[in-house]
Amino acid sequence: EVQLVQSGPEVIKPGESLKISCKGSGYSFTTYWIGWVRQMPGKGLEWMGIMYPGDSDTRYSPSFQGQVTISADNSISTAYLQWSSLKASDTAVYYCARHSSGTLNPNHADYWGQGTLVTVSS
Amino acid sequence: DIQMTQSPSTLSAIIGDRVTITCRASQSISTWLAWYQQKPGKAPKLLIHKASTLESGVPSRFSGSGSGTEFTLTISSLQPDDFATYYCLQYNSYSRGAFGQGTKVEVK
Repeated sequence: EVQLVQSGPEVIKPGESLKISCKGSGYSFTTYWIGWVRQMPGKGLEWMGIMYPGDSDTRYSPSFQGQVTISADNSISTAYLQWSSLKASDTAVYYCARHSSGTLNPNHADYWGQGTLVTVSS
Repeated sequence: DIQMTQSPSTLSAIIGDRVTITCRASQSISTWLAWYQQKPGKAPKLLIHKASTLESGVPSRFSGSGSGTEFTLTISSLQPDDFATYYCLQYNSYSRGAFGQGTKVEVK
C-alpha cells in the first residue's frame, strides 16, 4: 500500500528555521516525484515545488523560489521541505504528494500525505 | 506561467442535481489536467486524470471532459458525500498557477 506520512504539527516563532518531512512507503521512492503544496487557512491549493529523488532534479514555483528548499534522503525514503526564516504569513498546512514521471514533466499527484500544520506566531 | 481559471467559486445544489465545474487554461495544456476533491481537514483526493480518466474506485457519477484550454468536471447526480471543494490541476508545465482557485459545492 502506497503511503506518505508527514511529520507532526509545528508551532514556530517568526525568524526561526524549520524542516518538515514526508516519508514514502509501499513504492520505489526514487522513481517517483515528490511535490509540495501549501494551503493557507481557508484558502486554496498552491503548488510550491517538486523533486525527483532519483537524480535530485528540483523545480520551484517562482512564488516559492528562494523561500523554501526541497530535499530528500533516499536512504530513508523521506522528502523534506525547509525554511531558514519563517514569517507569520507562512502559517499554513503543507502537503506532500507523489507524482509519476511523464514524458516531459511530472504527472499529476496521485497519493497525498496527511498534511503538516505549521503555525508561525510569537 | 500557465494560469488556471476555475468557475464558479461556489455552487449551491441539492441531492440529485447535475453539477458542472469548469476550468480554463491560459494556453493549451492538451489533456494534462486532473481533478481533486477536498473535504475540510483532509488531503485532496484524486478523482480524474488526463482530463477524462476516472481514478480507480471513484464513482461513475463523476466524469471529466475537455482538451486544449477548456475542461469540465461533471457530477451526474449529486450525492451527500459529494459536498466538498473541487480543484483542477494542470500538469502540462508546473507553475505558480497550476491549481484552479477551487469550487465549493454546498447545500442549497
